[in-house]
Amino acid sequence: GQQVMQIPQYQHVQEGEDFTTYCNSSTTLSNIQWYKQRPGGHPVFLIQLVKSGEVKKQKRLTFQFGEAKKNSSLHITATQTTDVGTYFCAGPSGGSNYKLTFGKGTLLTVNP
Amino acid sequence: NAGVTQTPKFQVLKTGQSMTLQCAQDMNHEYMSWYRQDPGMGLRLIHYSVGAGITDQGEVPNGYNVSRSTTEDFPLRLLSAAPSQTSVYFCASSSQGVLADTQYFGPGTRLTVL
Repeated sequence: GQQVMQIPQYQHVQEGEDFTTYCNSSTTLSNIQWYKQRPGGHPVFLIQLVKSGEVKKQKRLTFQFGEAKKNSSLHITATQTTDVGTYFCAGPSGGSNYKLTFGKGTLLTVNP
Repeated sequence: NAGVTQTPKFQVLKTGQSMTLQCAQDMNHEYMSWYRQDPGMGLRLIHYSVGAGITDQGEVPNGYNVSRSTTEDFPLRLLSAAPSQTSVYFCASSSQGVLADTQYFGPGTRLTVL
């Protein structure tokens, strides 16, 4: 079945450093979504990318969708302690309208 | 709007006991789903529903039952709890499935099976 791989599994940074997490799918995706989960919390939707090569920005966060629509990345510039949490990517399973496959996530910790 | 609500927040069961995890949403969403989250495993889809009376299996459906009698509610039933079902359970909803829409997650139920 479809697999969505995320690397790295963990990332520890000093406050102010940049951070990037990468997401790779075994199949072409119609779209990809990114979520953030704070420790002890629930996943919160960040963004959805649909077009090949798409780049979207949200303040210090930059999201990219690969040209082949099989990979994506999330880059955070100048991390802050409020960025701590696990970042997940997710894509439709096998092109289904109703099944979402999540990556295992990247846990970001930030040292103030 | 309360969004997606889940009860209980915490639950401890003994092996073999049954229970129902409740999920409700007040956004008039047709699509609802249940996930389990285990350490290092991300979120895995258990069951989903595309509307009242319509449910289907996700990635890990064994040991769980669902029904959808109303648009608002989507309960998850554990018929005979097993230690392997110790996990955090999240309910989610959206207006159009997963292709074009945000998934709104509830706060989760932390279940321990002894």
